[in-house]
Amino acid sequence: AQSVTQPDIHITVSEGASLELRCNYSYGATPYLFWYVQSPGQGLQLLLKYFSGDTLVQGIKGFEAEFKRSQSSFNLRKPSVHWSDAAEYFCAVGPPGFQKLVFGTGTRLLVSP
Amino acid sequence: DAGVIQSPRHEVTEMGQEVTLRCKPISGHNSLFWYRQTMMRGLELLIYFNNNVPIDDSGMPEDRFSAKMPNASFSTLKIQPSEPRDSAVYFCASTLGQNNEQFFGPGTRLTVL
Repeated sequence: AQSVTQPDIHITVSEGASLELRCNYSYGATPYLFWYVQSPGQGLQLLLKYFSGDTLVQGIKGFEAEFKRSQSSFNLRKPSVHWSDAAEYFCAVGPPGFQKLVFGTGTRLLVSP
Repeated sequence: DAGVIQSPRHEVTEMGQEVTLRCKPISGHNSLFWYRQTMMRGLELLIYFNNNVPIDDSGMPEDRFSAKMPNASFSTLKIQPSEPRDSAVYFCASTLGQNNEQFFGPGTRLTVL
Protein backbone atom coordinates (compact mmCIF):
# COMPACT_ATOMS: atom_id res chain seq x y z
CA ALA A 1 0.00 0.00 0.00
CA GLN A 2 1.15 3.50 -0.69
CA SER A 3 2.16 5.73 2.21
CA VAL A 4 3.72 9.11 2.87
CA THR A 5 6.04 10.05 5.72
CA GLN A 6 6.75 13.58 6.80
CA PRO A 7 9.29 13.10 9.58
CA ASP A 8 9.18 16.66 10.92
CA ILE A 9 6.08 17.62 12.88
CA HIS A 10 7.25 21.18 13.51
CA ILE A 11 9.97 23.30 11.94
CA THR A 12 10.99 26.82 12.92
CA VAL A 13 12.85 28.95 10.42
CA SER A 14 14.01 32.54 10.65
CA GLU A 15 12.52 34.93 8.16
CA GLY A 16 14.79 35.18 5.15
CA ALA A 17 16.41 31.81 5.77
CA SER A 18 16.09 28.85 3.45
CA LEU A 19 13.61 26.05 4.02
CA GLU A 20 13.49 22.36 3.27
CA LEU A 21 10.56 20.15 4.26
CA ARG A 22 11.04 16.43 3.94
CA CYS A 23 8.71 13.93 2.36
CA ASN A 24 9.30 10.22 1.78
CA TYR A 25 6.85 7.97 0.05
CA SER A 26 6.32 4.27 -0.34
CA TYR A 27 4.97 3.04 -3.63
CA GLY A 28 5.81 0.26 -6.07
CA ALA A 29 6.29 2.49 -9.10
CA THR A 30 6.62 6.19 -9.78
CA PRO A 31 3.65 7.86 -8.18
CA TYR A 32 2.11 11.23 -8.72
CA LEU A 33 3.36 13.57 -5.98
CA PHE A 34 1.91 16.75 -4.55
CA TRP A 35 2.61 19.41 -1.97
CA TYR A 36 -0.28 21.31 -0.40
CA VAL A 37 -0.31 24.18 2.07
CA GLN A 38 -2.96 24.86 4.69
CA SER A 39 -3.20 28.23 6.40
CA PRO A 40 -5.04 28.39 9.73
CA GLY A 41 -8.78 27.96 9.30
CA GLN A 42 -8.45 27.39 5.57
CA GLY A 43 -8.65 24.51 3.17
CA LEU A 44 -5.66 23.04 1.40
CA GLN A 45 -4.07 24.79 -1.57
CA LEU A 46 -1.86 23.07 -4.12
CA LEU A 47 1.72 24.35 -4.19
CA LEU A 48 3.09 22.05 -6.86
CA LYS A 49 2.84 18.59 -8.40
CA TYR A 50 5.05 16.05 -10.09
CA PHE A 51 3.81 13.59 -12.67
CA SER A 52 6.84 12.91 -14.87
CA GLY A 53 9.71 14.63 -16.67
CA ASP A 54 12.01 17.14 -15.06
CA THR A 55 12.58 16.07 -11.47
CA LEU A 56 12.82 19.66 -10.24
CA VAL A 57 9.35 21.15 -10.10
CA GLN A 58 8.51 24.81 -9.66
CA GLY A 59 5.38 25.85 -7.84
CA ILE A 60 3.56 28.89 -6.61
CA LYS A 61 4.82 31.33 -3.97
CA GLY A 62 8.46 30.63 -4.83
CA PHE A 63 8.42 26.98 -3.76
CA GLU A 64 10.12 24.14 -5.58
CA ALA A 65 10.42 20.41 -4.98
CA GLU A 66 12.79 17.76 -6.23
CA PHE A 67 11.79 14.18 -6.96
CA LYS A 68 14.54 11.69 -6.14
CA ARG A 69 13.56 8.20 -7.16
CA SER A 70 16.58 6.54 -5.52
CA GLN A 71 15.62 8.04 -2.17
CA SER A 72 11.84 7.85 -2.60
CA SER A 73 11.75 11.48 -1.63
CA PHE A 74 9.99 14.63 -2.76
CA ASN A 75 11.35 17.42 -0.56
CA LEU A 76 9.95 20.93 -0.68
CA ARG A 77 12.30 23.91 -0.70
CA LYS A 78 12.23 27.67 -0.65
CA PRO A 79 15.36 29.83 -0.75
CA SER A 80 14.04 32.64 1.45
CA VAL A 81 11.09 32.24 3.80
CA HIS A 82 8.59 35.01 4.44
CA TRP A 83 6.47 35.38 7.57
CA SER A 84 3.39 34.68 5.46
CA ASP A 85 4.71 31.18 4.74
CA ALA A 86 3.86 30.10 8.27
CA ALA A 87 1.33 27.31 7.75
CA GLU A 88 1.00 23.55 7.66
CA TYR A 89 2.41 21.70 4.68
CA PHE A 90 1.20 18.35 3.42
CA CYS A 91 2.85 15.96 1.02
CA ALA A 92 0.54 13.61 -0.87
CA VAL A 93 0.95 10.64 -3.20
CA GLY A 94 -1.39 9.07 -5.70
CA PRO A 95 -0.88 6.28 -8.23
CA PRO A 96 -0.88 7.24 -11.91
CA GLY A 97 -4.29 7.17 -13.53
CA PHE A 98 -6.08 7.22 -10.22
CA GLN A 99 -7.44 10.04 -8.16
CA LYS A 100 -7.23 8.77 -4.62
CA LEU A 101 -4.51 10.64 -2.75
CA VAL A 102 -2.80 9.61 0.47
CA PHE A 103 -1.63 12.52 2.58
CA GLY A 104 1.23 12.72 5.03
CA THR A 105 0.64 13.89 8.58
CA GLY A 106 1.85 17.39 7.79
CA THR A 107 4.68 19.67 8.91
CA ARG A 108 3.85 22.86 10.73
CA LEU A 109 6.17 25.70 9.74
CA LEU A 110 6.80 28.52 12.17
CA VAL A 111 8.65 31.62 10.99
CA SER A 112 10.57 33.63 13.55
CA PRO A 113 11.41 37.33 13.08
CA ASP B 1 -14.99 31.30 -9.89
CA ALA B 2 -16.53 30.80 -6.45
CA GLY B 3 -14.44 27.75 -5.61
CA VAL B 4 -15.73 24.81 -3.62
CA ILE B 5 -18.47 25.90 -1.27
CA GLN B 6 -19.20 24.14 2.00
CA SER B 7 -21.93 24.77 4.51
CA PRO B 8 -22.22 25.26 7.34
CA ARG B 9 -18.75 26.51 8.24
CA HIS B 10 -19.29 25.61 11.87
CA GLU B 11 -21.70 23.13 13.43
CA VAL B 12 -22.20 22.43 17.09
CA THR B 13 -24.59 19.65 17.99
CA GLU B 14 -25.37 17.24 20.75
CA MET B 15 -24.57 13.57 20.74
CA GLY B 16 -27.26 11.55 19.04
CA GLN B 17 -28.38 14.28 16.69
CA GLU B 18 -28.27 14.02 12.92
CA VAL B 19 -25.73 16.20 11.16
CA THR B 20 -25.73 17.07 7.46
CA LEU B 21 -22.77 18.71 5.78
CA ARG B 22 -23.12 20.18 2.33
CA CYS B 23 -20.78 20.74 -0.56
CA LYS B 24 -21.04 22.46 -3.91
CA PRO B 25 -18.10 21.56 -6.17
CA ILE B 26 -16.59 23.84 -8.76
CA SER B 27 -18.78 23.99 -11.83
CA GLY B 28 -17.61 21.51 -14.47
CA HIS B 29 -15.61 19.33 -12.11
CA ASN B 30 -16.55 15.68 -12.30
CA SER B 31 -14.99 14.25 -9.15
CA LEU B 32 -15.77 15.08 -5.56
CA PHE B 33 -13.99 14.02 -2.38
CA TRP B 34 -14.92 14.11 1.31
CA TYR B 35 -12.08 14.26 3.85
CA ARG B 36 -11.96 14.39 7.61
CA GLN B 37 -9.13 16.11 9.49
CA THR B 38 -8.31 15.52 13.15
CA MET B 39 -5.23 16.06 15.24
CA MET B 40 -4.94 12.37 15.98
CA ARG B 41 -5.50 10.91 12.53
CA GLY B 42 -4.57 13.76 10.21
CA LEU B 43 -6.33 14.06 6.86
CA GLU B 44 -8.36 11.00 5.89
CA LEU B 45 -10.28 10.36 2.69
CA LEU B 46 -13.78 9.24 3.55
CA ILE B 47 -15.37 8.77 0.13
CA TYR B 48 -15.14 10.02 -3.40
CA PHE B 49 -17.44 10.26 -6.41
CA ASN B 50 -16.81 10.25 -10.14
CA ASN B 51 -19.63 11.64 -12.27
CA ASN B 52 -21.94 11.50 -9.22
CA VAL B 53 -21.23 7.79 -8.63
CA PRO B 54 -19.53 6.69 -5.40
CA ILE B 55 -16.26 5.01 -6.34
CA ASP B 56 -14.53 4.29 -3.06
CA ASP B 57 -16.18 4.56 0.35
CA SER B 58 -13.65 2.42 2.19
CA GLY B 59 -12.72 5.39 4.37
CA MET B 60 -16.21 5.87 5.77
CA PRO B 61 -15.72 4.97 9.43
CA GLU B 62 -19.00 3.19 10.06
CA ASP B 63 -22.62 2.91 9.07
CA ARG B 64 -23.49 6.09 10.89
CA PHE B 65 -21.83 7.94 8.01
CA SER B 66 -23.44 8.24 4.59
CA ALA B 67 -22.78 10.40 1.55
CA LYS B 68 -24.79 11.23 -1.51
CA MET B 69 -24.31 13.14 -4.71
CA PRO B 70 -27.71 13.55 -6.34
CA ASN B 71 -26.34 15.77 -9.11
CA ALA B 72 -23.11 17.25 -10.36
CA SER B 73 -23.42 20.39 -8.29
CA PHE B 74 -24.29 19.09 -4.83
CA SER B 75 -23.18 16.52 -2.31
CA THR B 76 -24.03 15.77 1.31
CA LEU B 77 -22.27 13.95 4.10
CA LYS B 78 -24.61 12.81 6.83
CA ILE B 79 -23.83 11.49 10.29
CA GLN B 80 -26.68 9.82 12.16
CA PRO B 81 -26.47 9.53 15.10
CA SER B 82 -23.50 11.78 15.81
CA GLU B 83 -20.97 11.02 18.54
CA PRO B 84 -18.33 13.19 20.24
CA ARG B 85 -15.56 11.31 18.44
CA ASP B 86 -16.95 12.62 15.16
CA SER B 87 -15.75 16.10 16.08
CA ALA B 88 -13.37 17.17 13.34
CA VAL B 89 -13.01 19.44 10.33
CA TYR B 90 -14.65 17.98 7.26
CA PHE B 91 -13.36 19.06 3.86
CA CYS B 92 -14.85 18.69 0.46
CA ALA B 93 -12.66 18.84 -2.65
CA SER B 94 -13.34 18.62 -6.37
CA THR B 95 -11.32 18.04 -9.50
CA LEU B 96 -11.69 17.63 -13.23
CA GLY B 97 -10.33 14.51 -14.87
CA GLN B 98 -7.64 12.29 -13.44
CA ASN B 99 -4.62 13.37 -11.51
CA ASN B 100 -5.41 17.02 -11.61
CA GLU B 101 -5.34 19.43 -8.76
CA GLN B 102 -7.91 18.82 -6.07
CA PHE B 103 -9.52 22.10 -5.08
CA PHE B 104 -10.48 22.16 -1.43
CA GLY B 105 -13.34 23.97 0.23
CA PRO B 106 -12.85 25.93 3.47
CA GLY B 107 -14.13 23.04 5.58
CA THR B 108 -16.86 22.53 8.15
CA ARG B 109 -15.77 22.43 11.76
CA LEU B 110 -18.04 19.95 13.56
CA THR B 111 -18.27 19.79 17.32
CA VAL B 112 -20.38 17.07 18.89
CA LEU B 113 -21.04 17.62 22.58
